[in-house]
Amino acid sequence: DSGVTQTPKHLITATGQRVTLRCSPRSGDLSVYWYQQSLDQGLQFLIQYYNGEERAKGNILERFSAQQFPDLHSELNLSSLELGDSALYFCASSVSVAGIHTGELFFGEGSRLTVL
Amino acid sequence: DQQVKQNSPSLSVQEGRISILNCDYTNSMFDYFLWYKKYPAEGPTFLISISSIKDKNEDGRFTVFLNKSAKHLSLHIVPSQPGDSAVYFCAASGTSGTYKYIFGTGTRLKVLA
Repeated sequence: DSGVTQTPKHLITATGQRVTLRCSPRSGDLSVYWYQQSLDQGLQFLIQYYNGEERAKGNILERFSAQQFPDLHSELNLSSLELGDSALYFCASSVSVAGIHTGELFFGEGSRLTVL
Repeated sequence: DQQVKQNSPSLSVQEGRISILNCDYTNSMFDYFLWYKKYPAEGPTFLISISSIKDKNEDGRFTVFLNKSAKHLSLHIVPSQPGDSAVYFCAASGTSGTYKYIFGTGTRLKVLA
């Protein structure tokens, strides 16, 4: 158990819909990262938050948005869903003080999104 | 632009032998490298890391080698065990200005009993 909790584990929805994925980081971790893994693909970095503020952005579509709340949990919002958005979405957390690396990322078990 | 590349999608090794997984990177700003293992239906789990000030780091059966001039790192697993069968991802990050961890596409390792 990594200590990172993601909900829901599975989600099936239709094209055009909007979903919200939720992540609770490990206790004490200030940074949250979101990754997308499409079928047989690597982990594509989407976005990082540190203590409520966006710190780094990757290949995140404009239809996607995220935020980190004062209690440090994070949500990834996916809207106007397309078939190609079907993927595993992982959240990871790290201690990461002010962008200085202090070690590894700890990953949740992922949220599997299926868009029909 | 794939900044971290794992050119072998799969690898099969006999139990007890050495497994060598390779990873190449292009961004010279990367100075911290990690290996993760992923089983089906689970999140990636951390295996071992190496800072650019080192060229080798060892943890039990796992050793990571870093060749900065070649922008290449490798993970050695000795001896390989059936339980090591998983997808292995390498990742890279920089401590000066970029806080992203960039992952490769993974190598599926199968250890044959």
